[in-house]
Amino acid sequence: DTAVSQTPKYLVTQMGNDKSIKCEQNLGHDTMYWYKQDSKKFLKIMFSYNNKELIINETVPNRFSPKSPDKAHLNLHINSLELGDSAVYFCASSSRRNEKLFFGSGTQLSVL
Amino acid sequence: QQQVKQSPQSLIVQKGGISIINCAYENTAFDYFPWYQQFPGKGPALLIAIRPDVSEKKEGRFTISFNKSAKQFSLHIMDSQPGDSATYFCAASSSGNTPLVFGKGTRLSVIA
Repeated sequence: DTAVSQTPKYLVTQMGNDKSIKCEQNLGHDTMYWYKQDSKKFLKIMFSYNNKELIINETVPNRFSPKSPDKAHLNLHINSLELGDSAVYFCASSSRRNEKLFFGSGTQLSVL
Repeated sequence: QQQVKQSPQSLIVQKGGISIINCAYENTAFDYFPWYQQFPGKGPALLIAIRPDVSEKKEGRFTISFNKSAKQFSLHIMDSQPGDSATYFCAASSSGNTPLVFGKGTRLSVIA
């Protein structure tokens, strides 16, 4: 069983569209995250949730909105997609905040 | 402002050799220093981690050396194998209060 699973694996869309990425973890962790990895492989935190509560919201355009329906799920919705949003988005979870993160396999988003 | 600086950007090592990747940090509040390994198309996976109360931690062929006064830590991969070819990231966080911040990554190639 995959510990942290995210869907879809690939997402190709036009500028201006709205899209969502889903993430689920079966590790029983309380904290979940979204990280963005750009074309140069740089990993940057976007959001962090602890027990469904937003605890970290880095400088991210408000077109990005995370939603945590329960502590096992953290979805990412992106409005009005732009070319610069093209990247790989990783979901992760941990039992202890900001330590020993388990990452999903990523969603490669391409905005045309 | 880059909180964790990693070098080199890329590294080529002969099979059986030692791979060394270095990181330096600025925030003295950091107290958790992990290394992640990422293969193409996969998410980063935790390799080994250290806290500032020890100067070295070894797990199999992988060793972290930590120098608190210099604010530096490094990853040594002994007897490097072609299967170790991947991108390696150092990272740091602070008592669960700050998000895990990553270095820019080192692409390691181990050649036979």
